[in-house]
Amino acid sequence: DVKVTQSSRYLVKRTGEKVFLECVQDMDHENMFWYRQDPGLGLRLIYFSYDVKMKEKGDIPEGYSVSREKKERFSLILESASTNQTSMYLCASSLFRDRGRAYGYTFGSGTRLTVV
Amino acid sequence: GQNIDQPTEMTATEGAIVQINCTYQTSGFNGLFWYQQHAGEAPTFLSYNVLDGLEEKGRFSSFLSRSKGYSYLLLKELQMKDSASYLCAVRDVATNAGKSTFGDGTTLTVKP
Repeated sequence: DVKVTQSSRYLVKRTGEKVFLECVQDMDHENMFWYRQDPGLGLRLIYFSYDVKMKEKGDIPEGYSVSREKKERFSLILESASTNQTSMYLCASSLFRDRGRAYGYTFGSGTRLTVV
Repeated sequence: GQNIDQPTEMTATEGAIVQINCTYQTSGFNGLFWYQQHAGEAPTFLSYNVLDGLEEKGRFSSFLSRSKGYSYLLLKELQMKDSASYLCAVRDVATNAGKSTFGDGTTLTVKP
């Protein structure tokens, strides 16, 4: 019954590497989001997308980029990984509008990335 | 922008009632969500309020006052499995994507 799948649960990368985090949802949701979660800082929005090939910056986009070539897949790219990007990364999806009810986000299980 | 405040930690006893408060100051408002997050797991959706008043869903209820920028999550008949972090999130009215800003979360510990 998995609905939002993140490709890796744990990942260790070296400083300067290019890192790809993949997220796939099977609910036909229009909206997809990437957050990072750090102790004391809560969830912070990195990027989001409301349609294929569309992307919008969130609150902390620096050092990241995204790709949405297909509706079900939203990828987060760390162009050159740094130690301050060590974090838990959460992907989420949601419907475009409420359609008469509230759905909230459906989150993936998260990717814990460590940059050494 | 959005500013969301909630207590960092709370402790309660099994079988009791606990109220977790959330205050927000936002440039736009299109609904408030509560999520539950167990340690090491992803958040899961609990409730949604867009109009003033109380929404009840089993042991959990959520209240909203838009004029006061205030919400609370009420948990009744607490169980040990309710020990988790509870996240308050406000949805932005500015975009159709419905992006949300999250508070830092309240860690609830339920003791026997």
